[in-house]
Amino acid sequence: KQEVTQIPAALSVPEGENLVLNCSFTDSAIYNLQWFRQDPGKGLTSLLLIQSSQREQTSGRLNASLDKSSGRSTLYIAASQPGDSATYLCAVFGSARQLTFGSGTQLTVLP
Amino acid sequence: GAGVSQSPSNKVTEKGKDVELRCDPISGHTALYWYRQSLGQGLEFLIYFQGNSAPDKSGLPSDRFSAERTGGSVSTLTIQRTQQEDSAVYLCASSPGPDRDSNQPQHFGDGTRLSIL
Repeated sequence: KQEVTQIPAALSVPEGENLVLNCSFTDSAIYNLQWFRQDPGKGLTSLLLIQSSQREQTSGRLNASLDKSSGRSTLYIAASQPGDSATYLCAVFGSARQLTFGSGTQLTVLP
Repeated sequence: GAGVSQSPSNKVTEKGKDVELRCDPISGHTALYWYRQSLGQGLEFLIYFQGNSAPDKSGLPSDRFSAERTGGSVSTLTIQRTQQEDSAVYLCASSPGPDRDSNQPQHFGDGTRLSIL
């Protein structure tokens, strides 16, 4: 059974810092890995999707990497802003055609 | 529509009552998913519909839970004889379909927050 772990569970940083969120998964037979953002009381917003054949994806200040063989992904946020404060969720999608989620990292960026 | 729409946004009901939650996916998306987000369990898969195929119900926690998708579009998740442990946020997502699942993300609605008294 696929299991996804995210570290740290919570993170608080001052504005302007670069930061890294970590995700690991136990079964490397995945189609893709997705990073989502969730604001309080809201659904999930897709940030980046990395296909199993890819190593990284970039969108603005966000960069996600994938090392499928070791079961790891990182989400790098450059020059963090208070508006980046949210919960970040990592999820993997495989042959079962369902997303398996980590428990999330709650990020607070202090002005 | 522009995004996945769920209703109601909030539902409070008494233990033992039945509830229906509705999801309207993005137009043209053939895949539809239900997930549940609760404090103790995080985000869990419940059920997956793809076109006219039989749904994958492997994530439904008990036979009190059922879901249907009419005409390949709108879906309804029904919980019968609700229990307090059913309290959670129920999220619906849609995607274009299996041919593009490897490179297309799932799009989520804002969810229905269900509270069982």
